[in-house]
Amino acid sequence: EPEVTQTPSHQVTQMGQEVILRCVPISNHLYFYWYRQILGQKVEFLVSFYNNEISEKSEIFDDQFSVERPDGSNFTLKIRSTKLEDSAMYFCATRIGIADTQYFGPGTRLTVL
Amino acid sequence: AQSVTQPDIHITVSEGASLELRCNYSYGATPYLFWYVQSPGQGLQLLLKYFSGDTLVQGIKGFEAEFKRSQSSFNLRKPSVHWSDAAEYFCAVGAQAAGNKLTFGGGTRVLVKP
Repeated sequence: EPEVTQTPSHQVTQMGQEVILRCVPISNHLYFYWYRQILGQKVEFLVSFYNNEISEKSEIFDDQFSVERPDGSNFTLKIRSTKLEDSAMYFCATRIGIADTQYFGPGTRLTVL
Repeated sequence: AQSVTQPDIHITVSEGASLELRCNYSYGATPYLFWYVQSPGQGLQLLLKYFSGDTLVQGIKGFEAEFKRSQSSFNLRKPSVHWSDAAEYFCAVGAQAAGNKLTFGGGTRVLVKP
């Protein structure tokens, strides 16, 4: 069964450094999402992406964050200058169409020191 | 704005006993509703979903959920819990427009005792 994959599984970085989290969506999916889950807290929506542009973003998704699909397969989340509070599990999710299930990847645990 | 409340943070249940997890949502139209399960250190696995039609939906691993519009609820049930059901369970509501984001509840951690 097709799966969403994410790399790396764990990323440790120093505060102020840039990180790029990568997601490979299920091949025929058209809608892409990033969510995050700070340890012990609920899963929070960051951004949705369709047709090579952002559809919606949350208040969390400020100018330090960006997304792109550079090669038509990978879907990336970039954090330009990481802060301690960016430490979280980041989940990618994808879906085929609007009225469809979002399938989640296994997540990338980001630790900012 | 959409929101989800899961009133129970922790539930402990004996193996073989029944389980019910509560979920209340707030959304201005007919919602898409989901239950996901997360085992420790793992991602989110879909248990079941409601889009329309029959308000009692069946999912994987013997779970079911009932959509009650009048109560704005989508409670998850399992008649007989197995030790492998110990995990965290998240209810989510999906918008039917724009980016179709999911809004999650705070989760309910289920502990299963022998």
